[in-house]
Amino acid sequence: NAGVTQTPKFQVLKTGQSMTLQCAQDMNHEYMSWYRQDPGMGLRLIHYSVGAGITDQGEVPNGYNVSRSTTEDFPLRLLSAAPSQTSVYFCASTPAGLTSPLHFGNGTRLTVT
Amino acid sequence: SQQGEEDPQALSIQEGENATMNCSYKTSINNLQWYRQNSGRGLVHLILIRSNEREKHSGRLRVTLDTSKKSSSLLITASRAADTASYFCATVDRGSTLGRLYFGRGTQLTVWP
Repeated sequence: NAGVTQTPKFQVLKTGQSMTLQCAQDMNHEYMSWYRQDPGMGLRLIHYSVGAGITDQGEVPNGYNVSRSTTEDFPLRLLSAAPSQTSVYFCASTPAGLTSPLHFGNGTRLTVT
Repeated sequence: SQQGEEDPQALSIQEGENATMNCSYKTSINNLQWYRQNSGRGLVHLILIRSNEREKHSGRLRVTLDTSKKSSSLLITASRAADTASYFCATVDRGSTLGRLYFGRGTQLTVWP
C-alpha cells in the first residue's frame, strides 16, 4: 500500500516556465489537498478537492491550478513559475473530510530561479 | 490566515525528560490535530481530539484540549532522541469539515542523548 505518492521529489525551474506536480493516492480517499511549506510559515493550503470533479481554493491559490478527474490523482499546475513559488509542496488526503487525519506525501522541493 | 500558534517555537531537552508544547487558536473548532515532521519528510499524524473531548492518550503522547481557553497541549513523556522533529497543531473550524485545516508554525523539538 503506497499511500500518497508525490513526484518529482526535486525540481528546478526558470522564471516563467510551467510544470505539473503530481500527486496520487491508492487509498480511495475523497478529500485531497495541496499545501506549501515555507520557513517560519508553517503549512498553507493552496487548493483542495472533496471528490472527483470538485475543487476549491485555499489560502494561497494565486499562480496555481488544479483539477480532479479521478479519485486517485490531484495534480498541481504552475502556469508561469515565479521565484515566490520556491517552496516545499505537500499533497495530503483523507477518506471523507477533515474529521479524519490527513495522510501526507513526502513532498516536492521546488526552486524557481 | 493561520489559526493555530504553537509555543514555544523551539524546545531543547535531554533524553528521558518530558516535553510540553502548547497550541492556541482563535475560532470555534470541530477538532484539533497534532502532527510530527521529521527533517525532509512529510507530516505524520499523531492525535486528533474532537471539540467535545478534553484529553486523549496514545503511547507516550498526551493531548489536552481546553475549548474555553482555545488552547491545546501536547505532552511527550520520557523523550527519546528519535522524538527530535517539528510538531504542528492544526484546527478544523466548526461547520467546515469539508474545508480547510489550518496549521500553526510549529515547535522544533530537539532531544539530546
